[in-house]
Amino acid sequence: AQTVTQSQPEMSVQEAETVTLSCTYDTSESNYYLFWYKQPPSRQMILVIRQEAYKQQNATENRFSVNFQKAAKSFSLKISDSQLGDTAMYFCAFMKHRSSGTYKYIFGTGTRLKVLA
Amino acid sequence: EAGVAQSPRYKIIEKRQSVAFWCNPISGHATLYWYQQILGQGPKLLIQFQNNGVVDDSQLPKDRFSAERLKGVDSTLKIQPAKLEDSAVYLCASLGLTGLVTEAFFGQGTRLTVV
Repeated sequence: AQTVTQSQPEMSVQEAETVTLSCTYDTSESNYYLFWYKQPPSRQMILVIRQEAYKQQNATENRFSVNFQKAAKSFSLKISDSQLGDTAMYFCAFMKHRSSGTYKYIFGTGTRLKVLA
Repeated sequence: EAGVAQSPRYKIIEKRQSVAFWCNPISGHATLYWYQQILGQGPKLLIQFQNNGVVDDSQLPKDRFSAERLKGVDSTLKIQPAKLEDSAVYLCASLGLTGLVTEAFFGQGTRLTVV
């Protein structure tokens, strides 16, 4: 069974600094997708960044980038120039194609990030 | 395009009462998920539909939880009778394409408090 582990329950960072959130996962699949979601107090899950496992190049979206280490099954999120609006829960998620033709979506336990002024 | 709609946003009930949540996914999305998110934890999959068929309900407490998606569009999740430990946010998501990548789109969730 696939699992997603986020070992940092809480983190804080000073405004304008850089922070890295960790995520590891366990799977025997070779083809899958990884995501980072942001969940502010409004509870809306917002997609931050995604990575296809077959791509070696790390994904980047403005201030957000990932370090994807397929062999180590590691998928960390780096937030540069942190802003107060980045304060939220961050979830790492894994998606794979089922044999039935549908997709299985699994979430980690989350990291609460607080950006300090 | 319109997002995933959920209602109600909040619900407070007494234990042993029943409650129902409603979800309207993005038009055309065949896959629909219901997740339970207990405070401070990650979302846990309760049930997954493909059109009107159940793909995975292995973590659904079937003695008290039920869900349906009769016409392959809207879905309802019901709890009867509710327990204190059912207090959580219930998230609905549907699966669709963004460019060439399949991803989940989430509703704002229903926060259930059982007292």
